[in-house]
Amino acid sequence: DIVLTQSPATLSVTPGESVSLSCRASQGISTSIHWYQQKSNESPRLLIKYASQSISGIPSRFSGSGSGTDFTLSINRVESEDFSVYYCQQSYSLPLTFGSGTKLEIK
Amino acid sequence: QVQLTESGPGLVHPSETLSLTCTVSGFSLTGYSVYWVRQPSGKGLEWMGRMRYNGDTSYNSALKSRLSISRDTSKNQVFLKMNSLQTDDTGTYYCTRGRGSTFDYWGQGVMVTVSS
Repeated sequence: DIVLTQSPATLSVTPGESVSLSCRASQGISTSIHWYQQKSNESPRLLIKYASQSISGIPSRFSGSGSGTDFTLSINRVESEDFSVYYCQQSYSLPLTFGSGTKLEIK
Repeated sequence: QVQLTESGPGLVHPSETLSLTCTVSGFSLTGYSVYWVRQPSGKGLEWMGRMRYNGDTSYNSALKSRLSISRDTSKNQVFLKMNSLQTDDTGTYYCTRGRGSTFDYWGQGVMVTVSS
């Protein structure tokens, strides 16, 4: 199984800061990585697909990059509504797997 | 618009079988795959299995011996059955629409507690 390691586990930031969240795969997965946001007591929401492809309706401050084993979700100027948990997910091979998440919290 | 709605019992006794239904609208089960993902309380996400648009199924090997996914296209429903439930199966169960193995729409989730 492909293991996705997300870091850091928790990131404390001030609104207005820009941040980068990391996801590292245990083997090369090309660009088969997707990012989700999950707010408290809500279902996850797809933010970015295939490492860097934008999703309709998602604010442009969210962007993704990377290929192979190292991937990054960037949030340009964090807003109050962005404080939640972020997960990466790989679709390179079955079983589909998720990272353990990065919690973005207010400093 | 696209909607997925999970339904099923909130409480299941240990060793019993969990049966969940995902009712979809706004898209066809013969055009899109439906996946089941679960989340233990306060923890991360786990892919359980999928019903592909062509009727094929795939399962997480960690659950394969206990899990079965089926569908009724005439009713726009996908079913999950998992037997021999234990307390660590407690959590929220989601169905989600798959598009190229990305999950673009999710149900609201159903909370399942395994307890005697």
